[in-house]
Amino acid sequence: DVKVTQSSRYLVKRTGEKVFLECVQDMDHENMFWYRQDPGLGLRLIYFSYDVKMKEKGDIPEGYSVSREKKERFSLILESASTNQTSMYLCASSPSDQGRLAKNIQYFGAGTRLSVL
Amino acid sequence: GDSVTQMEGPVTLSEEACLTINCTYTATGYPSLFWYVQYPGEGLQLLLKATKADDKGSNKGFEATYRKETTSFHLEKGSVQVSDSAVYFCALSGTGRRALTFGSGTRLQVQP
Repeated sequence: DVKVTQSSRYLVKRTGEKVFLECVQDMDHENMFWYRQDPGLGLRLIYFSYDVKMKEKGDIPEGYSVSREKKERFSLILESASTNQTSMYLCASSPSDQGRLAKNIQYFGAGTRLSVL
Repeated sequence: GDSVTQMEGPVTLSEEACLTINCTYTATGYPSLFWYVQYPGEGLQLLLKATKADDKGSNKGFEATYRKETTSFHLEKGSVQVSDSAVYFCALSGTGRRALTFGSGTRLQVQP
């Protein structure tokens, strides 16, 4: 089974702190994603990476950055945490080529619930 | 751009009732469509998918049919169980976009 592991289930940080959220996948997937989940808004894409050291902004990148130094690991960084970044953060991965019948299936971690006080 | 609209929740049903969760989408080209489920305290799991018009995805008694003429992908189950209580997300994979576009999610609560 594909496994996507997020390092923390719950985090509590203070405003202005630098926060690192870590995600590791064990299936050699090329693509990795960070989403933010908020009630009534569904999941919104923050950043994604399609290869080591490669990244692209998603729909809501402001206030976030990412790092992908190794294929299996994708980190989300909050440079200076703010209260409006209190949310559930979900990491996902997918292989680049899934064939015609399995187009773009993504595999998710359990999520990190971040509270910024 | 692409978008997905789901019916508002929460949906509360008694065990063995029929379920329909509506999902409509806007996208160019021929997107793939998905339903993901999120059980309490967990991440999202793929429930079912359809990759072209008139395809029917099915899994665990749930079904959804890709209707291009109505741009819909409604989730249905004939008899729900308490264990089906979860949040259900409709999503699409648009042309040339690696990430998924999600609906807002629909919480389902099934009472014994």
